[in-house]
Amino acid sequence: QPVLTQPPSSSASPGESARLTCTLPSDINVGSYNIYWYQQKPGSPPRYLLYYYSDSDKGQGSGVPSRFSGSKDASANTGILLISGLQSEDEADYYCMIWPSNASGVFGGGTKLTVL
Amino acid sequence: EVQLVESGGGLVQPGRSLRLSCTASGFTFGDYAMSWVRQAPGKGLEWVGFIRSKAYGGTTEYAASVKGRFTISRDDSKSIAYLQMNSLKTEDTAVYYCTRSNWNAFDYWGQGTLVTVSS
Repeated sequence: QPVLTQPPSSSASPGESARLTCTLPSDINVGSYNIYWYQQKPGSPPRYLLYYYSDSDKGQGSGVPSRFSGSKDASANTGILLISGLQSEDEADYYCMIWPSNASGVFGGGTKLTVL
Repeated sequence: EVQLVESGGGLVQPGRSLRLSCTASGFTFGDYAMSWVRQAPGKGLEWVGFIRSKAYGGTTEYAASVKGRFTISRDDSKSIAYLQMNSLKTEDTAVYYCTRSNWNAFDYWGQGTLVTVSS
C-alpha cells in the first residue's frame, strides 16, 4: 500500500489562506489520480469536502463552501487542499485519500489545522 | 436526508467475532457501493473495505490488514450493510464508520460505533 504523506500540523490566522499538502510516493504519479479530501472535527465523523483530478475534472461535496478548493503540484507529486478566508470553524483534522487501484483505498496520516 | 446509523459495537475478547450493521435511509440504497472506514483511538482514518452495488456485481474488496478475517455484505431489501469481523485482534480496536461511496468519494458518513478488543 502506498503511503500518502501529510504534515502532522499546520496553522494560519483567520482570513488568511491555508495550504495543506498530500505527497504521494515517487512511484505513483499524482497526475493519474483523483485526490479526495475529508475534514474531521473532534468528536464528529469525517466530512467529505471535495475531489480534484484536474481543473476540468473536480467536484465539491454537498454544502461545502467554494473557499475550499483542490489542486496539484506535479513537480512535487503532491495534492493540495487550499482553504481561503480561514475561519475559526475550519480548525480540524484534514485527510487526503486516493484509490491506487479499483480494489483498495488509502488515506494520508492527516493534518491538524490550527486557526490562530 | 441521507442517514447512516451503525450498531453492534462493543467490548469483545481477542479471537472472538462481532457483526456491525449500518442502516441507511434517505436514498436508494441498492444504487450505491457501501464502505467501512475505521479510526483507532487518537489515530487517523483507515479504509477497511467496500461492497459494490448489485449493478456492479455486489463484489467486495478489503484492506490487507483485515482480508480473510472481515466480510462485508448487504441486504438491499432492508437497506442494511454488514461488517462481519472474525478472529478479532487488539489492533482492531477502533471506531468503525459506515460510509456511502459515490464514485469513490465517501460522501456520507455515519456517527460510528466503537469496537474494543480486549481481554
